[in-house]
Amino acid sequence: AAGVIQSPRHLIKEKRETATLKCYPIPRHDTVYWYQQGPGQDPQFLISFYEKMQSDKGSIPDRFSAQQFSDYHSELNMSSLELGDSALYFCASSASGIGEQFFGPGTRLTVL
Amino acid sequence: GDSVTQMEGPVTLSEEAFLTINCTYTATGYPSLFWYVQYPGEGLQLLLKATKADDKGSNKGFEATYRKETTSFHLEKGSVQVSDSAVYFCALSDPGDYGQNFVFGPGTRLSVLP
Repeated sequence: AAGVIQSPRHLIKEKRETATLKCYPIPRHDTVYWYQQGPGQDPQFLISFYEKMQSDKGSIPDRFSAQQFSDYHSELNMSSLELGDSALYFCASSASGIGEQFFGPGTRLTVL
Repeated sequence: GDSVTQMEGPVTLSEEAFLTINCTYTATGYPSLFWYVQYPGEGLQLLLKATKADDKGSNKGFEATYRKETTSFHLEKGSVQVSDSAVYFCALSDPGDYGQNFVFGPGTRLSVLP
């Protein structure tokens, strides 16, 4: 069965650079969620989209932005990267109103 | 706001021992409850879930029962294996609204020794 796809799987950037993470949800899923998991931490919700509109917002820094496109894939754009942005970034998708989220494998971002 | 509390780790057990990882939650509505497992270097995998009070989720020998009266969803397994070594996250989500995010507990690291 198709799963959530994230790319890239690993990304290394330097401070003050920008990064774009991509998420391709399970086919026919219309809701996408982004989470950030720091080293040894639990995943923290960043932002979610339903039908290409932002549906909920968590602890997403102003330096980050995200959007969902017409094919339901989503991109997380991160600017002015800081060392503390080094983390595992998970994307999850769900079919609206069902509640269960399916997680992608994550993108590991390292900021040097 | 909603929150999830888990027992502190790490938990170290011998193979075939009984496992309990406590999870309690605070929520304004009637959330769905989940256990996710994260193996080293990997993403989050759904282990089991329960969507209403008294539901029991089970998978791969793990079980958890949704207890509304004690707001708990403790994870149990009768006989753990070395391959169960991972971090376990209890989580909740409030169904019914589109785009409802998960709230995760802090995670409990389990190490099973041969």
